[in-house]
Amino acid sequence: GQNIDQPTEMTATEGAIVQINCTYQTSGFNGLFWYQQHAGEAPTFLSYNVLDGLEEKGRFSSFLSRSKGYSYLLLKELQMKDSASYLCAAMDSNYQLIWGAGTKLIIKP
Amino acid sequence: GAVVSQHPSWVICKSGTSVKIECRSLDFQATTMFWYRQFPKQSLMLMATSNEGSKATYEQGVEKDKFLINHASLTLSTLTVTSAHPEDSSFYICSARHGEGNYEQYFGPGTRLTVT
Repeated sequence: GQNIDQPTEMTATEGAIVQINCTYQTSGFNGLFWYQQHAGEAPTFLSYNVLDGLEEKGRFSSFLSRSKGYSYLLLKELQMKDSASYLCAAMDSNYQLIWGAGTKLIIKP
Repeated sequence: GAVVSQHPSWVICKSGTSVKIECRSLDFQATTMFWYRQFPKQSLMLMATSNEGSKATYEQGVEKDKFLINHASLTLSTLTVTSAHPEDSSFYICSARHGEGNYEQYFGPGTRLTVT
């Protein structure tokens, strides 16, 4: 079956760095997405990885290892506004997104 | 670019009535649109995938006669919740995707449905 695993909740301190891990098992693979979702709002796109390695975009970076079925989202210089849920989604061979349950990130001052 | 709108943003209706939610891609043509449902503190649940001009593909467990999806044009898809019940109260989110070569999904702002 197809499955995405990510931690349910994480807590970090303002100004620090946090890494949110995601492992996936899909029928075929066409890339890994990370989305941010604030409470009561729709998800917003953060990153897309299809090749192995690290993609950096400002304070956010995303890493992919296809051989390990593993990705992480790295958030640096955490700000209070980064408190949100972070959704990992893998695209299968039919170009459908398989969604994780999301990781709720709590930022403390 | 790549803006998706939804209307209404929130709606309250009585049990037994029907509600229509519109999803529009404002600045691009969406060959595929997706409808999701999200209950509080849970992740997105894909309800159905619709391609312009063809019937929607529903996920297992989603009643196609209850959740009617129409994708009449490349910029508009509608979801009609028929004979609504309180358990249908949820956050409904649509997303749209460009054509071949770009698989990012652009999300609408969501519609919060409350059935009383």
